Amino acid sequence: SQKIEQNSEALNIQEGKTATLTCNYTNYSPAYLQWYRQDPGRGPVFLLLIRENEKEKRKERLKVTFDTTLKQSLFHITASQPADSATYLCALDISSDNDMRFGAGTRLTVKP
Amino acid sequence: ETGVTQSPTHLIKTRGQQVTLRCSSQSGHNTVSWYQQALGQGPQFIFQYYREEENGRGNFPPRFSGLQFPNYSSELNVNALELDDSALYLCASSLPLAGGETQYFGPGTRLLVL
Repeated sequence: SQKIEQNSEALNIQEGKTATLTCNYTNYSPAYLQWYRQDPGRGPVFLLLIRENEKEKRKERLKVTFDTTLKQSLFHITASQPADSATYLCALDISSDNDMRFGAGTRLTVKP
Repeated sequence: ETGVTQSPTHLIKTRGQQVTLRCSSQSGHNTVSWYQQALGQGPQFIFQYYREEENGRGNFPPRFSGLQFPNYSSELNVNALELDDSALYLCASSLPLAGGETQYFGPGTRLLVL
């Protein structure tokens, strides 16, 4: 069956450390993968998109990797800050149905 | 802010009733997607509208229906509400481009079915 799994429901780290979130998928062949941030009671906000032919993408303190052989994406936040505390969602493009499939998210808490 | 607005923000209905949720897309975006997000879960794709036509549908029953208007705003209609329909309903607008599609989400409508 098709699955998208994000490594853990919650991740707690100390301010200044690097947060690493994992997104694994099975039985999908996405053309691209996206990461979104969602704060409580609000809609997701787009962060980064990485295509199947790209290995790595960076934006300021954010870095995403995409390994289509392992069927895995890693999302890194370097020099984390308490303001980075939120739920982070990975989403796969399912082009045949024009939809995006989301993981359940990882709730990140950065402690001062 | 994304420029995508949704109304109402909150809604309480009883089982068996019907509900209409509304979404105004970001200026220039001709595609609107609707998602259902249960507590603690990621958004689940309901359907997508492109230039007023349904352009893809997830695993939701026919009592979930939609419309898109010439100005690209959209409605989600749910008939015969069930308790499990209680969730945050999100719409997202986009402008499909070759090689990738970023979705801009609204703040959502929180629906509670009693």
